[in-house]
Amino acid sequence: NAGVMQNPRHLVRRRGQEARLRCSPMKGHSHVYWYRQLPEEGLKFMVYLQKENIIDESGMPKERFSAEFPKEGPSILRIQQVVRGDSAAYFCASSPLDRSNTEAFFGQGTRLTVV
Amino acid sequence: AQKITQTQPGMFVQEKEAVTLDCTYDTSDPSYGLFWYKQPSSGEMIFLIYQGSYDQQNATEGRYSLNFQKARKSANLVISASQLGDSAMYFCAMNEDNYGQNFVFGPGTRLSVLP
Repeated sequence: NAGVMQNPRHLVRRRGQEARLRCSPMKGHSHVYWYRQLPEEGLKFMVYLQKENIIDESGMPKERFSAEFPKEGPSILRIQQVVRGDSAAYFCASSPLDRSNTEAFFGQGTRLTVV
Repeated sequence: AQKITQTQPGMFVQEKEAVTLDCTYDTSDPSYGLFWYKQPSSGEMIFLIYQGSYDQQNATEGRYSLNFQKARKSANLVISASQLGDSAMYFCAMNEDNYGQNFVFGPGTRLSVLP
């Protein structure tokens, strides 16, 4: 029962480097959502993607952050020129539907530490 | 705009007793879903229970039940017969139908179960 797979689980980057976070949705799921969780806070929505399309990126910072979900392969959240404030846990969720009435299945998260 | 309020930063409960975690929400959309997630110290997000805004009955899943009071816009989680393994952060979340799985999360409640 392969759930949502995120890798790496932990990522350390120096300030100014690039971070690439990967998310493989559950089999058959074509909708992916990225969330960010700062320490001691709830998750904050970043971006919603379907295959090859960004549906809603209202929670994504305008600069340095980008996301993609190609036809083949995992979804990628890319953070360029990381800063200390980017240190957080980044969660990916997937679902087979774009409606409510279902749970979203979350991955185990990637913990990014910027040093 | 959606908003989730969890007014209890931390809660203690004695093992085997019941505990209620509060959640109030604010939305102008008549159709929405309410969710509870558990986040243990290992960090993953575990789905617990879902309540749809049009559901007539309160949702139940094993030891978890959701006390849904639509007029008061509250969706409290009740955990019966608490176990030591229930110690974790608990997040209330909501989405509106037309935004897919774009969840808004509350700040969370840290539950500690005492032996």
